[in-house]
Amino acid sequence: QQPVQSPQAVILREGEDAVINCSSSKALYSVHWYRQKHGEAPVFLMILLKGGEQKGHDKISASFNEKKQQSSLYLTASQLSYSGTYFCGTGIQSRGKLIFGQGTELSVKP
Amino acid sequence: GAVVSQHPSRVICKSGTSVKIECRSLDFQATTMFWYRQFPKKSLMLMATSNEGSKATYEQGVEKDKFLINHASLTLSTLTVTSAHPEDSSFYICSASTGLAGNQPQHFGDGTRLSIL
Repeated sequence: QQPVQSPQAVILREGEDAVINCSSSKALYSVHWYRQKHGEAPVFLMILLKGGEQKGHDKISASFNEKKQQSSLYLTASQLSYSGTYFCGTGIQSRGKLIFGQGTELSVKP
Repeated sequence: GAVVSQHPSRVICKSGTSVKIECRSLDFQATTMFWYRQFPKKSLMLMATSNEGSKATYEQGVEKDKFLINHASLTLSTLTVTSAHPEDSSFYICSASTGLAGNQPQHFGDGTRLSIL
């Protein structure tokens, strides 16, 4: 079953923060986050595994709440380059496929 | 590192033609490759999962005889859309992963935009 992302779209000014959420109705093994710019391939951001963890690099970080089967992606001090559509991909097995959410369109304005 | 090359990037052809799309991992061995279909402003819809040397696993609703997948080596998978029709027009993207796909990132190709006239 497809995970649900929220919000569907968000518009920011440079320097503002944003949170994108991803919720699943199934018990998750992993949550992946990707960013896709228009007409381009999705680019891997990070993976979070069950056990509940938080990861980050630069000003983008994420958390995984295993009990709630939810993950959140945090973008702080947003830059113009952060614009794109963010997808979470959820896996229910270690060897399994990913099911992607519907995406969150993020626009960062000057 | 982790570069995936997908070719061709765009195809325009007549109805009834078969189209082959290649997906290559250039600098790593891909145990698993995935094929997705994406409609404009929509999510990535998984079509099938392929492992080197074995038959692909298709998602429910995806016609095996329509979308032929071959994963001949650890660096190459191909998707052939047989007897394509206008409703097959879409953006097709492959991804490749090392080891267990659940805890390894998927590295995506640049996609193939298929237009059937």
